[in-house]
This record gives sequence, structure tokens and C-alpha cells, in this order.
Amino acid sequence: DSGVTQTPKHLITATGQRVTLRCSPRSGDLSVYWYQQSLDQGLQFLIQYYNGEERAKGNILERFSAQQFPDLHSELNLSSLELGDSALYFCASSVPPGLAGGEQFFGPGTRLTVL
Amino acid sequence: QQPVQSPQAVILREGEDAVINCSSSKALYSVHWYRQKHGEAPVFLMILLKGGEQKGHEKISASFNEKKQQSSLYLTASQLSYSGTYFCGTEIQGGSEKLVFGKGTKLTVNP
Repeated sequence: DSGVTQTPKHLITATGQRVTLRCSPRSGDLSVYWYQQSLDQGLQFLIQYYNGEERAKGNILERFSAQQFPDLHSELNLSSLELGDSALYFCASSVPPGLAGGEQFFGPGTRLTVL
Repeated sequence: QQPVQSPQAVILREGEDAVINCSSSKALYSVHWYRQKHGEAPVFLMILLKGGEQKGHEKISASFNEKKQQSSLYLTASQLSYSGTYFCGTEIQGGSEKLVFGKGTKLTVNP
């Protein structure tokens, strides 16, 4: 158990819908990262927040957005869902803001299925 | 920009050694190694920084060749628990703050 929690564990929805994925980082971790893992694309970095502020952006679609709240939990919002958005979404947390400073602890993931 | 990992898959018998390579076309600042077992989240193994030394953890070690922009993960005397998919994540120089992961190397250790 990494100490990072993600809800829900599974999510099944239809095309065109909007969903929200939630992540609670380890106690004391200020950085939250979101990743998408699909069979054909592998593990792709989406976005990072550090202490409530967006710090780095990866291959995140405009239909997707995220935020980190004052209590440091984070939410990833996915809208106008398409079949291709079906994937495993991971949240990870770490203490320092930079990548070189420390390991990332991954949550168990949310499996999203878009029908 | 995605690093290339080789081999894509490897099958070992318990006790054998393996090397997994990660190559980038960009100048790298850091290389991160993770292992993911089927149905589980990735788990951190180690970070190698530009100018840093070879790192090791028990029977798993790694090196970073800055001139060639390559990193190698060495697994010696493999155990059944080493089975899983190994990913390298690279951060390019200039502090992009983004980890780009390779497609992974699937390692299977048989008794």
C-alpha cells in the first residue's frame, strides 16, 4: 500500500459523458501527478500540481482538466468522453516539487471504460 | 521523445541475470526506473541523475551513460518476485519536469 488513494476503482460510462476521478496523496506529499495508461500508448504523463498550483503539463487533452485543493487532494475531470479515453488512470504523489528529488508513489488507479 | 526500451520481453529462469536498456534521442537530466506487476500500480526502483553514480538496491542496479543518453537496469540472480513490466521514465535536460516513459520491458522469471 503506497498511501495514495484513488476513487472510484472502476468507472463505466457512455461516450459524451463527464466523469471526475479523485486522488488523495500520501500524508505530507505536496506534489500530485496524473498519468494515463493504455495498452497502445503505455504510461503517459498528463499533469502535475504542487501545493495547489499547476507545475507541469504533459499530453493532456483540452477535454481534460485537473485541480488540487487546499487539503491537497486532486481531481481529474474528463469530459465529452470518447471510446479512446478508456484506460487506467493513475495518480502519484511525492514530497518535492521536482522530478529529480524523489520517488513517486502511485495509487491503485481508476479503470475507466467508455462504452 | 519517448525513450526506447529493449528488449520488449525477456524470459528467465530463477537465478539468471538480465539487462534492460533505455535509450533516448534527447539529452537527459534524469532517468527513473519503475516496476509494475500485472494489475498493480508502478513501484519505484531508482533514480539516476546526470553526473550521478551507478545506483544499486540489493540485486538490482542501474547505470546512466550521459554521452550515449542511455540507461541500463541490471537484475542479477533473478527471483520469482522480479517478474513484471519494467519502465524507464526520462526527464530531458532543461528541467522539463515531465517524465516520459518507455513502452516497458516484460520480464518473466520462471522456477
